[in-house]
Amino acid sequence: QQQVKQSPQSLIVQKGGISIINCAYENTAFDYFPWYQQFPGKGPALLIAIRPDVSEKKEGRFTISFNKSAKQFSLHIMDSQPGDSATYFCAASSRSGNTPLVFGKGTRLSVIA
Amino acid sequence: DTEVTQTPKHLVMGMTNKKSLKCEQHMGHRAMYWYKQKAKKPPELMFVYSYEKLSINESVPSRFSPECPNSSLLNLHLHALQPEDSALYLCASSARGGSSTDTQYFGPGTRLTVL
Repeated sequence: QQQVKQSPQSLIVQKGGISIINCAYENTAFDYFPWYQQFPGKGPALLIAIRPDVSEKKEGRFTISFNKSAKQFSLHIMDSQPGDSATYFCAASSRSGNTPLVFGKGTRLSVIA
Repeated sequence: DTEVTQTPKHLVMGMTNKKSLKCEQHMGHRAMYWYKQKAKKPPELMFVYSYEKLSINESVPSRFSPECPNSSLLNLHLHALQPEDSALYLCASSARGGSSTDTQYFGPGTRLTVL
């Protein structure tokens, strides 16, 4: 119930293409869904986050789509660039019960020119 | 300033050594976290401090001992570690204690190698 399932494990996208990473969860108490980006040798950095009262959130080239009924959320990176090559983690937590952040297993994205 | 700093960047220690990792933030955050991250894996929560009090210990072995001397500082004391404890140790902070839905800001981590 505490798991967040993330796919794919790795992704290769051409420069200028769209990168899509998917996550699914079981715990209906989750009410905060952040995405973190991590470059090699660095700590994760918050990229974008969504709460279940909206179905989509966009910040620049990054968009989260959220489907509450399907218990799924996804990250879309438009016009992918080589500088986007990193590992992306989805995560979820719950205000009720103060459930700590649960991370997906990560997606290693490579954007090739 | 949304910076969490960690020292040292790298640490190599023997199994009989005692060492400490240090984390600092000056954002006025009242929750601080220790995570362990193995290669190609997500961060695993170890400890959470909320208002300088230990609020979560994820069944971490006693060879890891956290300490929160004040609201800006977090230490992780290491003693009698095993080679399998080699990992990237990440510190994070968030604004409010007791709130799991606040943004967590991560430091760059300490790369620990246990020989």
